[in-house]
Amino acid sequence: AQKVTQAQTEISVVEKEDVTLDCVYETRDTTYYLFWYKQPPSGELVFLIRRNSFDEQNEISGRYSWNFQKSTSSFNFTITASQVVDSAVYFCALRRGETSGSRLTFGEGTQLTVNP
Amino acid sequence: AAGVIQSPRHLIKEKRETATLKCYPIPRHDTVYWYQQGPGQDPQFLISFYEKMQSDKGSIPDRFSAQQFSDYHSELNMSSLELGDSALYFCASSSRTHLKLFFGSGTQLSVL
Repeated sequence: AQKVTQAQTEISVVEKEDVTLDCVYETRDTTYYLFWYKQPPSGELVFLIRRNSFDEQNEISGRYSWNFQKSTSSFNFTITASQVVDSAVYFCALRRGETSGSRLTFGEGTQLTVNP
Repeated sequence: AAGVIQSPRHLIKEKRETATLKCYPIPRHDTVYWYQQGPGQDPQFLISFYEKMQSDKGSIPDRFSAQQFSDYHSELNMSSLELGDSALYFCASSSRTHLKLFFGSGTQLSVL
């Protein structure tokens, strides 16, 4: 069985602060994929990043960065110099690699509020 | 670029009624997924189809059924609606070359 845990239910920061969202996962698969999605108040699910289980390189995209560590089964997400528009629910998700149509399993989500 | 299209955007039904949600995947995507998201919860996987065959099945109630048609669009049929079925229903699509799921804007179902 696959499981994703986001221990932080809510985080509140002041604009320009850095913030890290934690994600821990469980899987028995050797090949799997990790994702982060953003759900703003408008409700849609917006894809942010995908990481393969065999690629532990960290990634930076603008103000966003991701730290993938297989040794601790973690895939953390950092927003640098946060902005009010970053306010949203962020979901970490896991998908097994071998089967077409395999489900995406979401964590419980972290509600991020960035205050001006 | 074309996205996943879901209809209707909003749907209001009475208890014990039936609802049908439709999903049109991105062109050339062969896989569709259905998710249910209650207020303040994470999306829960219901069912998926790959090349018109059921691929994976999650916590979909027996009152619900779904299928994928020859043109790859999918429909989720929900019968004997209950108050607890009120939720945001997402459809997503993917292809073998795109491992990520592209989500539609969702259908907000309210059961009164």
